[in-house]
Amino acid sequence: GEQVEQLPSILRVQEGSSASINCSYEDSASNYFPWYKQEPGENPKLIIDIRSNMERKQIQELIVLLDKKAKRFSLHITDTQPGDSAMYFCAASVSGGADRLTFGKGTQLIIQP
Amino acid sequence: AQTIHQWPVAEIKAVGSPLSLGCTIKGKSSPNLYWYWQATGGTLQQLFYSITVGQVESVVQLNLSASRPKDDQFILSTEKLLLSHSGFYLCAWSPGDWGGAEQYFGPGTRLTVL
Repeated sequence: GEQVEQLPSILRVQEGSSASINCSYEDSASNYFPWYKQEPGENPKLIIDIRSNMERKQIQELIVLLDKKAKRFSLHITDTQPGDSAMYFCAASVSGGADRLTFGKGTQLIIQP
Repeated sequence: AQTIHQWPVAEIKAVGSPLSLGCTIKGKSSPNLYWYWQATGGTLQQLFYSITVGQVESVVQLNLSASRPKDDQFILSTEKLLLSHSGFYLCAWSPGDWGGAEQYFGPGTRLTVL
């Protein structure tokens, strides 16, 4: 099955700077790549996603890049704020019918004042 | 708007006891439904998925079973709990149409097995 590697496991950045999380996948058939944000004790929330027909997607301060040749995708958060502190998970799936999402191990993002 | 509910919110159970967790989605007909497990501090592991009533596919064997008795209901159960079953159980749904891949999670059930 699909394997997703996510790095780093912990990321500390200064408030107002940018944060980047990187993921790689193995199955070249994967065509859907969501990102989830999970705060302590809460359920994961879908924050942005990208499909394989795109290379870049932006929603406000969130930017996702996809490099299909290298089988890598990344999340960039610009102008980080204290509310961005959370666990972030990337995932990959072959979309269509039931979606078998495979998640990375997560990145703990800590925004320092 | 779609809403997804899970019950109970939390459970404390003894090793060897039975378990039943429930999930209901309202506002969406024929959704795909999923069960996930998350160990404390860990990642999300998909356990089961269902694309229609009465049909459930297993992704990972953890001595658990799942059933979909109604279009809007998904049940996770076991007859004998293990210590390793402790964790956060999340139900999720997706639109069920080709290309509708987004999965949305319910609030979850926190299970502690002692």
